[in-house]
Amino acid sequence: QKEVEQNSGPLSVPEGAIASLNCTYSDRVSQSFFWYRQYSGKSPELIMSIYSNGDKEDGRFTAQLNKASQYVSLLIRDSQPSDSATYLCAVNGVDSNYQLIWGAGTKLIIKP
Amino acid sequence: GAVVSQHPSRVICKSGTSVKIECRSLDFQATTMFWYRQFPKKSLMLMATSNEGSKATYEQGVEKDKFLINHASLTLSTLTVTSAHPEDSSFYICSAEQGAGETQYFGPGTRLLVL
Repeated sequence: QKEVEQNSGPLSVPEGAIASLNCTYSDRVSQSFFWYRQYSGKSPELIMSIYSNGDKEDGRFTAQLNKASQYVSLLIRDSQPSDSATYLCAVNGVDSNYQLIWGAGTKLIIKP
Repeated sequence: GAVVSQHPSRVICKSGTSVKIECRSLDFQATTMFWYRQFPKKSLMLMATSNEGSKATYEQGVEKDKFLINHASLTLSTLTVTSAHPEDSSFYICSAEQGAGETQYFGPGTRLLVL
């Protein structure tokens, strides 16, 4: 069974610090990787997508992908209280018929 | 771009009634739409995958006769919860993608409460 693993947290980070969220996946042939943010009571919203090894930066967010080690991470620089949410990692590929396999999410708390 | 809407946002119904939820991709054509359910403080659970013009594919444990899905066009999918019971009360969320493996964009969700 293809799996995506995330630490459920909560991960507590002081305001202004870097929050680091990690995700590992079991399917070696996964091709697309996504980070979504979900506020309590709301639906998920896309933060970043990444498809190739290395770093991808978008504002305060950086996604990092290492296919050899089968992990993908999300860094949030200069963390703000508004970043407090649950962050969901999702992975898909040919073997899963492109269906997203979801992690359970990491709850992030940014303390002022 | 890539906006997905859902209607209604919130519904309260009596036990035994049916409820229809609409999911629309507003500015793109969605080859595939997905229906999820999420209970409080729990993970997203995929219920079914819906492809335009074909029958939906249901996840294990999801009753296809209870959760009817119709994907009538490339911009509209509907989920009907038939003979709803209090245990069906949940947050129902749809998502849509333009092509296989592309980004899924989520609707705002529908909160269903069955009395």
